[in-house]
Amino acid sequence: QVTLKESGPVLVKPTETLTLTCSVSGFSLSNDGMGVSWIRQPPGKALEWLAHIFSSDEKSYNTSLKSRLTISKDTSKSQVVLTMTNMDPMDTATYHCVAATWYYFEYWGQGTLVSVSS
Amino acid sequence: SYVLTQPPSVSVAPGQTARITCGENNIGSKAVNWYQQRPGQAPVLVVYDDSDRPSGIPDRISGSNSGNTATLTISRVEAGDEADYYCQVWESSSDQYVFGTGTKVTVL
Repeated sequence: QVTLKESGPVLVKPTETLTLTCSVSGFSLSNDGMGVSWIRQPPGKALEWLAHIFSSDEKSYNTSLKSRLTISKDTSKSQVVLTMTNMDPMDTATYHCVAATWYYFEYWGQGTLVSVSS
Repeated sequence: SYVLTQPPSVSVAPGQTARITCGENNIGSKAVNWYQQRPGQAPVLVVYDDSDRPSGIPDRISGSNSGNTATLTISRVEAGDEADYYCQVWESSSDQYVFGTGTKVTVL
């Protein structure tokens, strides 16, 4: 059974850096064809893809946010980490960690709500 | 950049058919995936690769994709189908995953 669980702060201040950790089980981060994305959803708004890390360790980023994002993984710990710099109140959202099978998102974490406020 | 356009809302009576479109130039050349998000829950994959269903998804839900429009069809609509629905593609030219704007399905 594949599960993903997000962890990190619930509140960050403007200009701070957000670090989120995704702990996965039920598959290996080195499995060919599997990768992990971070996807966010501001309250009442649509889904927005942020970043993806493939089994090969290749990475992809949302072009509009690329300068602020870093995704990495520790296969031995079954963890994927996302950092987002210079947080703004507009970044308030639920952040989901999601396992992708090739190019579709098959397994979703429940998400973690991150609020940005001073 | 690639933009997937969906109607903001679709209303349908129980037992009828709901069709949700996802439009973009030549989307028919890409594999389209669809997600259902019920209120307060994480999204769930309901269709992948245009028309395949994951196990556990009823065959009342189907997908198609051709030309400039992909369509998610929900037949014999039930109250439990009330949710937001999102289309999604992998845009290989820019190595981006792209989501549609989302459609709220209301069961009358």
